[in-house]
Amino acid sequence: DQQVKQNSPSLSVQEGRISILNCDYTNSMFDYFLWYKKYPAEGPTFLISISSIKDKNEDGRFTVFLNKSAKHLSLHIVPSQPGDSAVYFCAARHNTGKLIFGQGTTLQVKP
Amino acid sequence: DSGVTQTPKHLITATGQRVTLRCSPRSGDLSVYWYQQSLDQGLQFLIQYYNGEERAKGNILERFSAQQFPDLHSELNLSSLELGDSALYFCASSVAGFGTEAFFGQGTRLTVV
Repeated sequence: DQQVKQNSPSLSVQEGRISILNCDYTNSMFDYFLWYKKYPAEGPTFLISISSIKDKNEDGRFTVFLNKSAKHLSLHIVPSQPGDSAVYFCAARHNTGKLIFGQGTTLQVKP
Repeated sequence: DSGVTQTPKHLITATGQRVTLRCSPRSGDLSVYWYQQSLDQGLQFLIQYYNGEERAKGNILERFSAQQFPDLHSELNLSSLELGDSALYFCASSVAGFGTEAFFGQGTRLTVV
């Protein structure tokens, strides 16, 4: 039972363009959502988060949008840079505290 | 550097054996999470401890167990190892049980041969 789904295993964009990574969830008990970035041979690194009471959070080039009615969130990276190439994980926090991760999307930003 | 330390970085062991993975959380963090990442898979939540007590359980096998000690470091014990247990095991920590963001260690790569 995959409660957090990232349906696109990979995404390729041109440098300077927008990258949009998507995530869907099924559990209404999630109250906080996070995005992590992971480079090979390293642990995931926290990127940005959003509370379930908000619909948008922005931090520099990164913006996360939350659509609660659709149980959908997305991460926008503008402009995309080659250094953004990594695996991106969406995560959702259950109101009991546990963090559930999606399968990840591999982003490749081409120069 | 996230401040979360995992040891060892690499571990190779035979089927049927038992291993212990260790995690030291960031200073001040009370919560520790364990995750398993198998080849081409996402991060599977195993278990969470908060201030020494088990807080949440995920898809953790009965052959696996964990604990968090009074100094807040945590150990994940894997026994009767099978080839399919080969994976990256990550530990993460956060300040509270009802988290703010969690910070991950570099992981322990376990290879069962």
